[in-house]
Amino acid sequence: AQSVSQHNHHVILSEAASLELGCNYSYGGTVNLFWYVQYPGQHLQLLLKYFSGDPLVKGIKGFEAEFIKSKFSFNLRKPSVQWSDTAEYFCAVNARRDDKIIFGKGTRLHILP
Amino acid sequence: NAGVMQNPRHLVRRRGQEARLRCSPMKGHSHVYWYRQLPEEGLKFMVYLQKENIIDESGMPKERFSAEFPKEGPSILRIQQVVRGDSAAYFCASSPSGEGYTFGSGTRLTVV
Repeated sequence: AQSVSQHNHHVILSEAASLELGCNYSYGGTVNLFWYVQYPGQHLQLLLKYFSGDPLVKGIKGFEAEFIKSKFSFNLRKPSVQWSDTAEYFCAVNARRDDKIIFGKGTRLHILP
Repeated sequence: NAGVMQNPRHLVRRRGQEARLRCSPMKGHSHVYWYRQLPEEGLKFMVYLQKENIIDESGMPKERFSAEFPKEGPSILRIQQVVRGDSAAYFCASSPSGEGYTFGSGTRLTVV
C-alpha cells in the first residue's frame, strides 16, 4: 500500500528565508507526485505535480520540487519565503494503476513578518 | 468554468440526525473523490466514484456512511445517525481522468 511521510509537522521561518519541506513516499511502482497548499480557512490548491520527464518541477508562486527516484523523495523548495506563504502544505502520491491520491499528514508553515 | 462546488459550507447536526453533503464536480470531470480532514491527521481518503459507480470505497466506515454519484445531479455523501466523532471537514475533489484533482471548498460538519 502507498504511504506518504512528511518529516516536519511545524516549520517556522522568517521572511526571505529559504524553505525545504521533506516528503518521502512508499510505493514500488510508477507514481504521480503532488504538492498541495491549504491557506487558513480555505480548500486545497495544487502547487505543482510530477508525472514524468524532468524531475525538477516548477510550480506556482515560486515553488519547485525535485523528484529523486532513488530516495523515494519529492521535497518542496522555495528560495525566499513570504509572509503570505503561511499555510499548510501536503505532499501526495498516486499510482497510475490506482487513481486514489494518498496524502501526507501535512506540514504547517508559519512565516514571521 | 465553475470549480468544484460543495454545499453546504457549514452544517450543524444533532447526534442521531442525518447529514447530507453535496458535491458538483467541475464540468467535464467524471471522477469524484471524497476525503475527510481531521486536525493533525491530514486528509483521509473515503471513496472514489464515477457516474453511477463506486470504484473504491476502502476508506469508508463500514456503517452509517454511504456515497453516490448519480447519472444526473451532484455526488452525495450521506452520514446517518451522526455522532460527535463525525465532526470534521469533508472535501470533495474531481478530475477528468484520475491524475490530479481540483478540490472544492469543503463542508465543515459539526455534530452537537
